[in-house]
Amino acid sequence: DTAVSQTPKYLVTQMGNDKSIKCEQNLGHDTMYWYKQDSKKFLKIMFSYNNKELIINETVPNRFSPKSPDKAHLNLHINSLELGDSAVYFCASSQAFLNQPQHFGDGTRLSIL
Amino acid sequence: DQQVKQNSPSLRVQEGRISILNCDYTNSMFDYFLWYKKYPAEGPTFLISISSIKDKNEDGRFTVFLNKSAKHLSLHIVPSQPGDSAVYFCAASGLRGSARQLTFGSGTQLTVLP
Repeated sequence: DTAVSQTPKYLVTQMGNDKSIKCEQNLGHDTMYWYKQDSKKFLKIMFSYNNKELIINETVPNRFSPKSPDKAHLNLHINSLELGDSAVYFCASSQAFLNQPQHFGDGTRLSIL
Repeated sequence: DQQVKQNSPSLRVQEGRISILNCDYTNSMFDYFLWYKKYPAEGPTFLISISSIKDKNEDGRFTVFLNKSAKHLSLHIVPSQPGDSAVYFCAASGLRGSARQLTFGSGTQLTVLP
């Protein structure tokens, strides 16, 4: 049973399109995150939601909009995709406010043509 | 500005020997540190952590050392095994407002040679 699962694993699309990446966790955690791993391999936080409420929003273009229908799901919608959006996107979850590790999904590799 | 740095992009070690991976940080507000292991096409997997009130934490073959005055931590793997070959990320946790946030280093590719 996968603890944090994200779909799709690969996404190839044209510039200008709109796409979504889904994430679900079955760990009972109350906080979920989206990270972007760029070409230099840095993992950078994009968003964090705690009990469906946005608590961290890094400097990310407005074209990126996270949606959390419940605390087990955090989806990422991207409008008007650009070449620079090509990256691997990781979803993660944890119990907030505690020193506990975050658990990661296997990533979604987004390639913009 | 990188608040967490892993200055060695790669490390090659013979099987059975010790692997030492290093990490430096600049923000003294970080109070919890973690190491993650990552295989290709998979997500990072939590390996071991240490609170800032400790200087050592051990779990089997893995030991993490924290030197707060030097703002330095290291991961020791003894003995190293070929299955340990992966990218290792150092991460530091601190409060940002009311939320905890992880800041990652750029990773070190460890190759354990049989």
